[in-house]
Amino acid sequence: QKEVEQDPGPLSVPEGAIVSLNCTYSNSAFQYFMWYRQYSRKGPELLMYTYSSGNKEDGRFTAQVDKSSKYISLFIRDSQPSDSATYLCAMGRRGFKTIFGAGTRLFVKA
Amino acid sequence: DGGITQSPKYLFRKEGQNVTLSCEQNLNHDAMYWYRQDPGQGLRLIYYSQIVNDFQKGDIAEGYSVSREKKESFPLTVTSAQKNPTAFYLCASSRGTSGDSTTRNEQFFGPGTRLTVL
Repeated sequence: QKEVEQDPGPLSVPEGAIVSLNCTYSNSAFQYFMWYRQYSRKGPELLMYTYSSGNKEDGRFTAQVDKSSKYISLFIRDSQPSDSATYLCAMGRRGFKTIFGAGTRLFVKA
Repeated sequence: DGGITQSPKYLFRKEGQNVTLSCEQNLNHDAMYWYRQDPGQGLRLIYYSQIVNDFQKGDIAEGYSVSREKKESFPLTVTSAQKNPTAFYLCASSRGTSGDSTTRNEQFFGPGTRLTVL
């Protein structure tokens, strides 16, 4: 079993839809959780960083962490064609390497 | 502007040739990392370095070598021993192990180098 599981998609939605991206993990010791966005042939860019459980909102993006269920989510409201990219979840704890999900490909159709 | 640069953007390697990928950061980060990304496989850690003059193997270090002579630089050499080097290579950096457990330690990535073997 992988430490982090992420559905590769692709996920295709119409413009304006609410997008839900998810990851599950097995290591209850993980303390920090991140979401990266990666456009084709580009390096990943950090979207959201969350320490421990809870929600964090930044513009159209909301990150949720449920440590009791070992489940994290990224919600994108009012999705735009420019949101079409691969979204990577990542998580870890101090002193240990960060573990990345395989990424979910998202297509937002105009 | 602070950030991470990688060069070249595209690189072609002939059979039996060693090639070196450059990674430079001006974020004053202690830790640097090299990842390989293949379609459908996510990021796989090749090597990482927490401080100057020290580095550790990641999950797929065979056929690769690195050096960390300066804080800002972490070049990766893909040797002829790497049998399937065609991939997208990403360099990243982070603050490292300084601070307490709540100190943010996210990794920042460079734009990547696409290596193709001819």
